[in-house]
Order: sequence, then structure tokens, then C-alpha cells
Amino acid sequence: GNSVTQMEGPVTLSEEAFLTINCTYTATGYPSLFWYVQYPGEGLQLLLKATKADDKGSNKGFEATYRKETTSFHLEKGSVQVSDSAVYFCALSDSWGKLQFGAGTQVVVTP
Amino acid sequence: DVKVTQSSRYLVKRTGEKVFLECVQDMDHENMFWYRQDPGLGLRLIYFSYDVKMKEKGDIPEGYSVSREKKERFSLILESASTNQTSMYLCASSFASGRPTFTDTQYFGPGTRLTVL
Repeated sequence: GNSVTQMEGPVTLSEEAFLTINCTYTATGYPSLFWYVQYPGEGLQLLLKATKADDKGSNKGFEATYRKETTSFHLEKGSVQVSDSAVYFCALSDSWGKLQFGAGTQVVVTP
Repeated sequence: DVKVTQSSRYLVKRTGEKVFLECVQDMDHENMFWYRQDPGLGLRLIYFSYDVKMKEKGDIPEGYSVSREKKERFSLILESASTNQTSMYLCASSFASGRPTFTDTQYFGPGTRLTVL
């Protein structure tokens, strides 16, 4: 079956540091890939997505590229802010539109 | 903006009680979903619905049922709550003509943290 593996947290870093959260997946066919973010006390919201190989999703300074050859969708941001502190979920969507989520990675950014 | 609301942010129930969790979306979305979120496990799909009165099991439907009588409302029912159903429950919706598609963006509510004592 489909699965998503992302790096465990928490990831703690200082403001303006570079952030990478690794995400790899196992899937049959050609899924779409998503990053969702959950800020404290809130539900999830879409951060970015990519629907085919080599697509790059980007939003709010975050980027991720759909790499079919390495089955990866790593999230990156060049300079994080305290307001980026949240839990980040990598997910894939199968041909039936069902989302499979990773376990989530908590990111803590300190001033 | 899409708005998905859930009836309660926090809920405390006793073992054996019947529990209703309500979800309402205001964007005329066809598809609605119920997930539970547990530390280290991410989100797991309980049930989803792609039309009024239609429902399909997700990955962990045991102990749950759902109801969708109106397009904007999707209810999750715990017939007899148990302590292992203590969790955060998240509702989501997405727009698609017919069944969900693999490119859909899902919009989430704020969640209901349910504790079963």
C-alpha cells in the first residue's frame, strides 16, 4: 500500500536558518504530493502541492520538488521566522483522492 | 475563503456514551472527510463522503459511523465511545465533481479534541 515517511522532530532552529524536512513516499501509480501545515491550536492548511514529476510547489517562501526518481518531496525554506513554528505534514493522494499522511514534523524556531 | 467548522473544540465523554461530532462547510463542496490525528501516526482517514447520503470507509472505520443528510454537513458518530477513541478529530472538505480526485486540495476544520474517560 501507499505510505509516507518524513523525518522525526522536533526540529529546533534559530530565526533566519535554513530549513529542510525530508519526505519520501511509496506509492503505486502517480500520486499527487502535498505539504500541509498545522499551526498551534488550528486545523491543517495546504502549504503547497505538486501533481506530477518534476513539478515544484511553492508558497510563503517554502518550496518542494516532486522527485519521482528518488520518490521524494522534501520541503525547504531559506530563512525561517518564528511564525513558521508549526507541525508540517507530508501527504500523498492516490488515484481515488484519498490522502495518506506522514507522521508530521514539529518545527520550533527560536528568536 | 473556505470555512470548515466543527461543533466543539473540546469534548469529554464517558465510556459507552454515544458521541456526535458535527462538521459544516460553507463552500458547496462535494466531498467531506473525517480523520483522527494521533501523535506519531499523523492523520488517518476514518470515513469519507462524495455526495449526500453516500459514504465510504477509510482506513480505520471500526467503531465509527457517519451521516450525511445535507451537502454541507457531515457527522461522525461513535456508537459506544471507548477510551482508545480519545484523539483529535479533524473534518475536511474538497471540491470535485463526483468522487474525490488525486489533485484535490482538502480544507480542514480546527479539530475536536475528544477525551473518553
